[in-house]
Amino acid sequence: AQRVTQPEKLLSVFKGAPVELKCNYSYSGSPELFWYVQYSRQRLQLLLRHISRESIKGFTADLNKGETSFHLKKPFAQEEDSAMYYCALIRLTGGGNKLTFGTGTQLKVEL
Amino acid sequence: SAVISQKPSRDICQRGTSLTIQCQVDSQVTMMFWYRQQPGQSLTLIATANQGSEATYESGFVIDKFPISRPNLTFSTLTVSNMSPEDSSIYLCSARGGDYNEQFFGPGTRLTVL
Repeated sequence: AQRVTQPEKLLSVFKGAPVELKCNYSYSGSPELFWYVQYSRQRLQLLLRHISRESIKGFTADLNKGETSFHLKKPFAQEEDSAMYYCALIRLTGGGNKLTFGTGTQLKVEL
Repeated sequence: SAVISQKPSRDICQRGTSLTIQCQVDSQVTMMFWYRQQPGQSLTLIATANQGSEATYESGFVIDKFPISRPNLTFSTLTVSNMSPEDSSIYLCSARGGDYNEQFFGPGTRLTVL
């Protein structure tokens, strides 16, 4: 079964500290993985996707097929990074490609 | 990018009644979806809304409980039928399209069933 696991419900870090939000997946095939973010009182939005291999707002995520992981990292946390982060996987079905989400990690950046 | 609006933004309903949620996208998209986010939980896909045909439901969701319409490429409705308190949740409309096949989300409809 295709599954996304985010082991931490809450992660608290101090401003300026490094951040790593963990994501592991199970998928038979070549996965397409994403990180979505939801800031307070805002809608869910795409942060980054592994295919583009880009850095958004200082965040990066590398797909590690050996460890089946797609951890989200940022070297120096900022207060505005406080939000809910969801790791997601595209799964192929007979009815088309569908996004499966992890349970999410609430990131709290403290001053 | 696609901007998605939903109506209503929130509602409080009585047990046994039904509520229809509307979703409007500002551009033509290839796929539209409905998700549920129960308190403290992740997003769960309810169904894929297909234009001009019956929606494709995920395991655990049925048409009688969650009838869905998609009359054109930019509009869809989700009805939550015969509601019970367990249906209290945030319902999210989502759409995929554009050059990068990105998936966008609406602001959600917060439903409380008494």
